Amino acid sequence: DGGITQSPKYLFRKEGQNVTLSCEQNLNHDAMYWYRQDPGQGLRLIYYSQIVNDFQKGDIAEGYSVSREKKESFPLTVTSAQKNPTAFYLCASSIQGARNEQFFGPGTRLTVL
Amino acid sequence: KQEVTQIPAALSVPEGENLVLNCSFTDSAIYNLQWFRQDPGKGLTSLLLIQSSQREQTSGRLNASLDKSSGRSTLYIAASQPGDSATYLCAVSYVNNRLAFGKGNQVVVIP
Repeated sequence: DGGITQSPKYLFRKEGQNVTLSCEQNLNHDAMYWYRQDPGQGLRLIYYSQIVNDFQKGDIAEGYSVSREKKESFPLTVTSAQKNPTAFYLCASSIQGARNEQFFGPGTRLTVL
Repeated sequence: KQEVTQIPAALSVPEGENLVLNCSFTDSAIYNLQWFRQDPGKGLTSLLLIQSSQREQTSGRLNASLDKSSGRSTLYIAASQPGDSATYLCAVSYVNNRLAFGKGNQVVVIP
């Protein structure tokens, strides 16, 4: 089955800790994205990558970091510098080009204790 | 900056009625527009994608129209069913293929 997987589904973090959220896709998509979703707000773009070994900041990149060493994987690290990390995190991927239909994973809910 | 608006935030309809959901965006320079469905605690499911050169797309009971010049899209769901209860999100693709999302329409179909 082709698709996007995110792990873990639920994640709990103590204040001051860094945590890494996993995103893997087997759709052979070039582009991958990380979004954050908060209640009552639309999805906001954290980081995106259009090709391996390259990525760009989105609208709310502060306190987050990413890497793109493999086409299939785009992990997101939530650092201790992120002031309010409790949220639902969604990963997406797409082929490059005008169509750019984005497909989403099931999400990770991060809670800071 | 591209802004996407979906009004109302929430609505309820009786089963069998047609659903009409509206989306507006501020900058008409878009590559495409995508409608998604989201169930509580889940990821997004892509429903329809309309390219900027197209006026509408259809899939089963779903039909989405796009009027780029006026910055509007409408999603029609015919003969609504309780299983259509979900949040529907509209997103437009613009510079660098980034998506700008609306906050969604939360729909409840009453049996």
